[in-house]
Amino acid sequence: KQEVTQIPAALSVPEGENLVLNCSFTDSAIYNLQWFRQDPGKGLTSLLLIQSSQREQTSGRLNASLDKSSGRSTLYIAASQPGDSATYLCAVISRFGNEKLTFGTGTRLTIIP
Amino acid sequence: DTAVSQTPKYLVTQMGNDKSIKCEQNLGHDTMYWYKQDSKKFLKIMFSYNNKELIINETVPNRFSPKSPDKAHLNLHINSLELGDSAVYFCASSQREWEQYFGPGTRLTVT
Repeated sequence: KQEVTQIPAALSVPEGENLVLNCSFTDSAIYNLQWFRQDPGKGLTSLLLIQSSQREQTSGRLNASLDKSSGRSTLYIAASQPGDSATYLCAVISRFGNEKLTFGTGTRLTIIP
Repeated sequence: DTAVSQTPKYLVTQMGNDKSIKCEQNLGHDTMYWYKQDSKKFLKIMFSYNNKELIINETVPNRFSPKSPDKAHLNLHINSLELGDSAVYFCASSQREWEQYFGPGTRLTVT
């Protein structure tokens, strides 16, 4: 059974700093890994999708990496801004999971102006 | 030009009532999902439909019945609502195992 863990559960950093969010998963047989952000009381916004054959994906100030063999992914946010404050969720689609996303517990990020 | 839409956004009802949540996607995807986000903000799959066929049913009580009239719609009907059903319900869609797009969520409160 796939399990996804995100550490830390909460993170506060001053504006302008670079930061890394971590995600780990127990079963490396995945199709892809997806990073989302969720603002309070809102839905999920897809940030990046990394396919199992890829090592990383970039979108603007965001860079996500994937190390499938060790069951880890990181989301790197450069030059953080107050607008980056949100909960960040990672989720994987397992090869034997009927295409469902298995979510981590999330990291609540606060950028301090 | 909303990609995945859900109605209603908020739903407040009493225990024992029956209610429905509707979802529609205009992305042309062939797979749709229902996820539940509990009070601790943990998201978990409930159901998945591919081309109107049920492919995932994650040990959800049979008071919950999804219905997919066509590829673009997936509705969720809940019978005999209980306090523990209070949560945010998210609809999502994808083209098979590719990127999933989520709706804005329906916050259900059972009193």
